[in-house]
Formats: sequence, structure tokens, C-alpha cells
Amino acid sequence: GENVEQHPSTLSVQEGDSAVIKCTYSDSASNYFPWYKQELGKRPQLIIDIRSNVGEKKDQRIAVTLNKTAKHFSLHITETQPEDSAVYFCAAHYSGYSTLTFGKGTMLLVSP
Amino acid sequence: DSGVTQTPKHLITATGQRVTLRCSPRSGDLSVYWYQQSLDQGLQFLIQYYNGEERAKGNILERFSAQQFPDLHSELNLSSLELGDSALYFCASSVDTADSPLHFGNGTRLTVT
Repeated sequence: GENVEQHPSTLSVQEGDSAVIKCTYSDSASNYFPWYKQELGKRPQLIIDIRSNVGEKKDQRIAVTLNKTAKHFSLHITETQPEDSAVYFCAAHYSGYSTLTFGKGTMLLVSP
Repeated sequence: DSGVTQTPKHLITATGQRVTLRCSPRSGDLSVYWYQQSLDQGLQFLIQYYNGEERAKGNILERFSAQQFPDLHSELNLSSLELGDSALYFCASSVDTADSPLHFGNGTRLTVT
């Protein structure tokens, strides 16, 4: 089955810095890669997603890049703000399965 | 608001008991997924239903079961509860398969004492 590795497990940055979270996946047939943000005690919320036919996608301060050859994808947050502090989960959908496989999460802490 | 409704929000019960968690998916979504999130843990996939039928099974214990009804709402039944079952249980829904965005409910926090 699919396996998703996520790094780092924790990330501390200063407000205004950029943050990058990386994920690798195991199955080259994976075709959909969403990212979720989960604030403390709340539900995971989709913040951006990318499909295998696209290399990069941006939405304001957030961007996701996909390298299919290396089988990894990354979340980039620029000009970080304290409200970006949360746990971020990457996920991958393998076309042979009907579910998402999630990474173990990255706790991002943005200090003022 | 994701449009996914989970009840109850909190549940406190004793070991050995049985509870039922309920989920109503977003209007138009046919797939329902159940996830377990323990303290400092990621999202553990339990089970998925699509239009009333079981579609995929993850790390779901035999003491746990679920179903999706004709109106597409779903219930997760947890029996013979143990302390280790204490967790946040999320329901999510999507239009069809998991290569469409998943929308999570606010979760049910289960505490087993």
C-alpha cells in the first residue's frame, strides 16, 4: 500500500520567515496530494491540493510543489504569521485505493 | 463550517461500555470516512463507506463497527471500550473517491474512564 513520510515533525520559525514541510510517497501511481491544517482541538481543514499532472500550485502565501520523479511534494508558506501555527498534514491518494494516506504531521510554531 | 455534522461533541463513558458516534456528510457527498486521532498522533484511517456500502477498511478493531444508512448518514459503534480508545474521532466526507477533497467534521471527543 501507500506510505507517506513527513518531515520535520516540528518546525519553529520567526514571524515573517518562510516554512517548508516535505513529504515523500512510495507509490508512483499516486495522483492526488492534499495538505491539511489542524489547529489545536479543531478539525483538519484542506488548505491546498495538487494533482499529479501539475508541478506547482500557489494560493497567496501558500504553495505546493510536486516532484513525481523523486516522489516527493512540499508545502511552502511565505511571510509566516502567528496564526499559521498549527499541525500540518500531507496526504497522498494512490489510484489503486479509495482512501488517502496521511503523513504523521508537522507542528509549526511561528513566534512573534 | 465544513457541512459535515458530528454528534455528540463529547462523550465520557466507562470501560466495557458501548457508544455510537453519528455523522451526517455534506449535502451531495456519497463517501464517508472515519478517522481516529489519539493524543499527539496522526490521523488513523478506520473505515470508508460509499453510497451505503463498505469501500475500504483500515486499522479498525474488531470491537468497532460502522454502517452508512440510505440517507447517507453514518454511525461508528465502539464496544467493550478500553482506556486506550480515548481519542478524537473524526468523520469526513467527499463527493466520491478520495482524490476529491475530504471535508472533516468537528469530531467527537471520547473519554473512557
